[in-house]
Amino acid sequence: AQSVAQPEDQVNVAEGNPLTVKCTYSVSGNPYLFWYVQYPNRGLQFLLKYITGDNLVKGSYGFEAEFNKSQTSFHLKKPSALVSDSALYFCAVRRSSGGSYIPTFGRGTSLIVHP
Amino acid sequence: KAGVTQTPRYLIKTRGQQVTLSCSPISGHRSVSWYQQTPGQGLQFLFEYFSETQRNKGNFPGRFSGRQFSNSRSEMNVSTLELGDSALYLCASSLQGQALDTQYFGPGTRLTVL
Repeated sequence: AQSVAQPEDQVNVAEGNPLTVKCTYSVSGNPYLFWYVQYPNRGLQFLLKYITGDNLVKGSYGFEAEFNKSQTSFHLKKPSALVSDSALYFCAVRRSSGGSYIPTFGRGTSLIVHP
Repeated sequence: KAGVTQTPRYLIKTRGQQVTLSCSPISGHRSVSWYQQTPGQGLQFLFEYFSETQRNKGNFPGRFSGRQFSNSRSEMNVSTLELGDSALYLCASSLQGQALDTQYFGPGTRLTVL
């Protein structure tokens, strides 16, 4: 069975400071990893994904994520947070081969950026 | 290119009623998945349709059903509504529904069961 853990329900950061939203996963074989953001009363918006290749993935709105196979982590990062980044962030994992490709989502991390 | 659209955006029903939600995927996308989002359970997978066939199904009772039409539009039906069915129902589309495909989500339908 595959799983995703987002250990922090909430992350608080001051505007202009770097931010990190943590994600660890468990899956058989090689993972495909995704980050989504959800604003209030909206659906999930795709930020970035890791399929293969460079462990540092760059995505939308200045976000990036680092894939670490040994630590089974895929943490989301941004060098300088904006108040408008305040939202709910979801990490998701899919197995790359074998079986169904249904993604498993984490419980979400609420990011609050203070002015 | 237009995004994923879902109708209606909001619904209020009473226990025992049934409801049908609609999802129009991004043009060219053939896979449509449905999710239930609640504060307590997070995002839970309901089912996925591809080329008018249900390809994957989550762990939900038979009261939850769906279908997909030849134009890839999908509907989800919930019969005999229960209070616990109150949730945000999200539809997501992707090109082929393969593991590396990105899923694009609609804005959701907020269902309230009284």
